Amino acid sequence: AQKITQTQPGMFVQEKEAVTLDCTYDTSDPSYGLFWYKQPSSGEMIFLIYQGSYDQQNATEGRYSLNFQKARKSANLVISASQLGDSAMYFCAMGGKTGGFKTIFGAGTRLFVKA
Amino acid sequence: DAGVIQSPRHEVTEMGQEVTLRCKPISGHDYLFWYRQTMMRGLELLIYFNNNVPIDDSGMPEDRFSAKMPNASFSTLKIQPSEPRDSAVYFCASRIQGERNEQYFGPGTRLTVT
Repeated sequence: AQKITQTQPGMFVQEKEAVTLDCTYDTSDPSYGLFWYKQPSSGEMIFLIYQGSYDQQNATEGRYSLNFQKARKSANLVISASQLGDSAMYFCAMGGKTGGFKTIFGAGTRLFVKA
Repeated sequence: DAGVIQSPRHEVTEMGQEVTLRCKPISGHDYLFWYRQTMMRGLELLIYFNNNVPIDDSGMPEDRFSAKMPNASFSTLKIQPSEPRDSAVYFCASRIQGERNEQYFGPGTRLTVT
């Protein structure tokens, strides 16, 4: 069975500092995708970044990067130079063939950026 | 480009009433997903469609819930009869089959059943 685990219910970070949000996963699929979504207080779900299981390099999208460690089955999100607008809920997700390509989501981590 | 469109954005209804939530996916996307989000249970996948055909409805909580996708640009999620425990935010998401398979979410419908 596929599983996503986010062990940090809440995180605090000082503005302009970097922060790492943890995500571990479990799957028997040889090929899968890992995703991060942001949900601000307004409620919408915003796609941030994608990492394919066969990608050799860690994905980056602006201030977001994904620290992918395949052997450890971890896909941590790194946000550099945090901004007040980064305060939100962050969800790690995974999709693979075994699950019929549906995406499963972790419980989320709430990030608070302090001025 | 228009994103995923959901209506209504907010719905307040009384227990026992029928509720219909609507979704228009992004044009060209061939997968559509319905999710429910609550504080207690997080984000749950209810059902998803591929090319308008329901593929997996194992997340639909009970027979009171039904979903249809009559064409590529429209889907409904119906609850009949509604109960207070159905109160949640319901999201529709769509994606296109491809290398990345990321989903794009609508703004959600906040349902309150009194």
